[in-house]
Amino acid sequence: DQQVKQNSPSLSVQEGRISILNCDYTNSMFDYFLWYKKYPAEGPTFLISISSIKDKNEDGRFTVFLNKSAKHLSLHIVPSQPGDSAVYFCAARLPSGTYKYIFGTGTRLKVLA
Amino acid sequence: GAGVSQSPSNKVTEKGKDVELRCDPISGHTALYWYRQSLGQGLEFLIYFQGNSAPDKSGLPSDRFSAERTGGSVSTLTIQRTQQEDSAVYLCASQGVGETQYFGPGTRLLVL
Repeated sequence: DQQVKQNSPSLSVQEGRISILNCDYTNSMFDYFLWYKKYPAEGPTFLISISSIKDKNEDGRFTVFLNKSAKHLSLHIVPSQPGDSAVYFCAARLPSGTYKYIFGTGTRLKVLA
Repeated sequence: GAGVSQSPSNKVTEKGKDVELRCDPISGHTALYWYRQSLGQGLEFLIYFQGNSAPDKSGLPSDRFSAERTGGSVSTLTIQRTQQEDSAVYLCASQGVGETQYFGPGTRLLVL
């Protein structure tokens, strides 16, 4: 049972345009959501996060939107740059007992120059 | 360096052999996670250490997998009698104050 889903395995966007990466979840108990970026042969690196009590968080070119009623979050990258090409994982925190993070399967973003 | 390090970076072993994977977390981080990423899959939670508390082992896929964390710092993930389905990238992450996890580069395990 995949509690965190990234239904688009890949996405191609032209440089300068907006990239929108989507993530859906099923567990309403998640209290925190994070996006990580992963380059080949490296571990994931933290990008941006949002608490479940917020609906938007912005950091430079990156904005995360949370729609709790739809159990959906999205990452917007504007403007997209070739260096943004990577695999993006969304993760959700389950605050029951120990903090456990559930990751999606990732979306590979390719920004075309 | 100040980041999370893992060793070895690559490991090729024969089916049935035991392997040990090492993680050196960021100094001072009390939480440490192990994940596994199989080909085309997301990050699968394996085990979580927090300070001196008993670890959360609920993600370990079988009793062939075990992990320990010595002195609240270095962690070792051991896989006994490896199987071909154990082939994956094993990632370690440490976490201090806050929700951000800092990942190591991973160990790529190939079981022949």
